[in-house]
Order: sequence, then C-alpha cells, then structure tokens
Amino acid sequence: DAGVIQSPRHEVTEMGQEVTLRCKPISGHNSLFWYRQTMMRGLELLIYFNNNVPIDDSGMPEDRFSAKMPNASFSTLKIQPSEPRDSAVYFCASSQTGRGYTFGSGTRLTVV
Amino acid sequence: AQKITQTQPGMFVQEKEAVTLDCTYDTSDPSYGLFWYKQPSSGEMIFLIYQGSYDQQNATEGRYSLNFQKARKSANLVISASQLGDSAMYFCAMREGFNQAGTALIFGKGTTLSVSS
Repeated sequence: DAGVIQSPRHEVTEMGQEVTLRCKPISGHNSLFWYRQTMMRGLELLIYFNNNVPIDDSGMPEDRFSAKMPNASFSTLKIQPSEPRDSAVYFCASSQTGRGYTFGSGTRLTVV
Repeated sequence: AQKITQTQPGMFVQEKEAVTLDCTYDTSDPSYGLFWYKQPSSGEMIFLIYQGSYDQQNATEGRYSLNFQKARKSANLVISASQLGDSAMYFCAMREGFNQAGTALIFGKGTTLSVSS
C-alpha cells in the first residue's frame, strides 16, 4: 500500500498565482480530509469529503480556496489567487473507519 | 472553547526515562475516539495510538500507552523508556461520533518532546 500520496511536496509561487495541490487517498478509504498546518494556528481542518461528497467546508478560509473530489481516488485543493499568508504545510488524510486516519507527507507551500 | 487542550508546549526528558504528555478534551458526545500522532522534524504525521470512549482498558502499543481518565476527560500519552528518536512534536486529536469514518479529527496545539542522552 503506497499510503496517501500528495503532490507536489514543495511549491513556491508568486503572490497572485493559482496553486493546485493534489491528493490520492488510500484505495478503499471513503473519507478524505484536507488540513493546513501553521506555527500560529496549528493543524486546522479545511474541508472533508465522504464518498466524494463535501461534508464540511466551514474551515475553508476564503472564497480563494476551493476543493474538489471528482472520484474516489483523487482530490484537489486550489488557491486562486494565492497570498503570502497562505504559506503553510497542507496535509491530506484519508480514512475507512473511525479508528484510523492516514496522512500524506504534506505539501509545503510558500507564496512570495 | 477548545476541544483538545495540550498545556505543555515543550517537555524535556533523558533517554530511558518515562514521560507523560498531557491532553484534555471537551465533548458532549458519549461516543468519541482519541488519537495521538507524532510529527518528527521531517514533517510526516505518524499515528501512535487510539482509544475509544467505550474501551474498558487503556490502549497500549509497544512503548506507548494512553492513560484514559474518562471522568476527568483526559487522555495522556505515556512513553516508556524514551529514546533519542522520540524527539518530535506530539499531537492529541479527537473524533466525535461512534467509530464513524466520516468525521474529522480535531487536533490540539501539540507538545514538543526533546529527549537528551
């Protein structure tokens, strides 16, 4: 099992550019979560999906953020336009049961 | 109000000693799960241990054990015989609802553990 796969691992972009983060959950997992980690705010839930349907997006900071899950094996988190305060590590996690949540390696985003 | 509280920003311990990392939680749901994750300097989130609210016994996984005190709403992580490789950030997290996959984890702010030789 390859685990949860996130790409890219690192992303450096200029303010105002569009950024797309990608996640492939573990096969068979029907829940997918996007988190953001910063020093100031810790680990924050942005949005999560059950069976490809968005359930709770109350953590999405602004309309500049959007997430999709077009099928069970792929999700994207898009930021348009990006701002320096979006700089953070973005984690994707997936789960099949409520006892196990597996995290990807994260995407370190730097907006300059 | 915070759902997960970790009051120790940093902890220091010597190799081979035991250490307890504190975690208190707040929920009105009778069904919930408690988790501990380790985040080393490399950044990945590593699952350590799980405790369900209805579990009768404290969870153990190798050198990790969870001291679950339901009435006090605490779920402290105990690491026995600390090793240098235990130096990392440790997060306590909670899932509300009975063993449901479709519920997100809520995380505490974390505790940085430093193990010295």
